[in-house]
Amino acid sequence: KQEVTQIPAALSVPEGENLVLNCSFTDSAIYNLQWFRQDPGKGLTSLLLIQSSQREQTSGRLNASLDKSSGRSTLYIAASQPGDSATYLCAVIPSGGSNYKLTFGKGTLLTVNP
Amino acid sequence: EAQVTQNPRYLITVTGKKLTVTCSQNMNHEYMSWYRQDPGLGLRQIYYSMNVEVTDKGDVPEGYKVSRKEKRNFPLILESPSPNQTSLYFCASSLLGRQETQYFGPGTRLLVL
Repeated sequence: KQEVTQIPAALSVPEGENLVLNCSFTDSAIYNLQWFRQDPGKGLTSLLLIQSSQREQTSGRLNASLDKSSGRSTLYIAASQPGDSATYLCAVIPSGGSNYKLTFGKGTLLTVNP
Repeated sequence: EAQVTQNPRYLITVTGKKLTVTCSQNMNHEYMSWYRQDPGLGLRQIYYSMNVEVTDKGDVPEGYKVSRKEKRNFPLILESPSPNQTSLYFCASSLLGRQETQYFGPGTRLLVL
């Protein structure tokens, strides 16, 4: 059974700092990995999707990497801002079966202090 | 604007009173699914649908029903809600294909007394 773990569970940083969020998964038979942001009352917003054949994806100040063989992904946020404060979730989709079910980690609560 | 909408956003009800949470998407997506999010347990899939009239169970389907009569709509039905169904519910959709990004609705917070 696939399990996804995110460390740390919570992180507090001063504005402007670069930071890394970690995600690990137990079964390397994934098709892709997706990073989401969750804001209270606003649902989940997709940030980046990395296919299993890719090593990284970038969007603005965000960079996500994937090492499928070791079961790890990182989300790098450059020059953090208070508006980045949210819960960040990573999720994987298995490479087999007929369901596109996302298996989520429990998230990292990020607070960026002005 | 491309989006997934859910209604209601907040709901307080009593045990046994049937309710429906609606989900609608305007992106012509074939795949839709429902998740519930609980503290300490994260997000878990309840049901999913690959297309109209094609639905199947996820990890936690007990106590829920779904239907997919139209491509854009995927309602979640609680025939006889119980307090253990108090949760935050999310609907998601995507095009067919594991490479496709999944888009989530804003969530429905349900309290069953």
